[in-house]
Amino acid sequence: AQSVTQPDIHITVSEGASLELRCNYSYGATPYLFWYVQSPGQGLQLLLKYFSGDTLVQGIKGFEAEFKRSQSSFNLRKPSVHWSDAAEYFCAVGLMNTGFQKLVFGTGTRLLVSP
Amino acid sequence: NAGVTQTPKFQVLKTGQSMTLQCAQDMNHEYMSWYRQDPGMGLRLIHYSVGAGITDQGEVPNGYNVSRSTTEDFPLRLLSAAPSQTSVYFCASSYSSGSTDTQYFGPGTRLTVL
Repeated sequence: AQSVTQPDIHITVSEGASLELRCNYSYGATPYLFWYVQSPGQGLQLLLKYFSGDTLVQGIKGFEAEFKRSQSSFNLRKPSVHWSDAAEYFCAVGLMNTGFQKLVFGTGTRLLVSP
Repeated sequence: NAGVTQTPKFQVLKTGQSMTLQCAQDMNHEYMSWYRQDPGMGLRLIHYSVGAGITDQGEVPNGYNVSRSTTEDFPLRLLSAAPSQTSVYFCASSYSSGSTDTQYFGPGTRLTVL
């Protein structure tokens, strides 16, 4: 069955430091991959997505992610974290050929930013 | 352009009560869906609709009903609420049902069933 694993429940990063959030997926075909961010009390906002082509994907707010097929990973990175990046981050895989948009979400990683 | 709106933001129900969670979008999106978010479980798909008059079940449909009479609205009905339905509910919409289309999420409804 398809699944998404985000191994880190919480991560604390100092403001200005770099960030990497891990995401591993299990899916038989080439996946569509997404990263969403959820600020407190808000809905989910799409940061970036990967469908094909260049395996390094640029998103909004200075985020990027790299698709590594050999590792079944799609890790999210940011070179310098800002206090406003504190939020919960969700990785998701979109399944193909289902006739509808089926996203399988990971359990999320909560990012805390220390001064 | 308000995007995806949901009402109410918060709701407390007693077991056995019924209610409807409202969802509306003003982007003329064909595809709409409902998710529930539970701690440690990510988001799970409840029901979805690929257009007005067409709905289908997602991953966790039991205890929920939906209908889609207009493109704009996609209400979620709980006929007899149970404590297991305590959750945060998100509505989402996208231009089409294609998996490459971006889904836009509403702000959520936090439901507690006592």
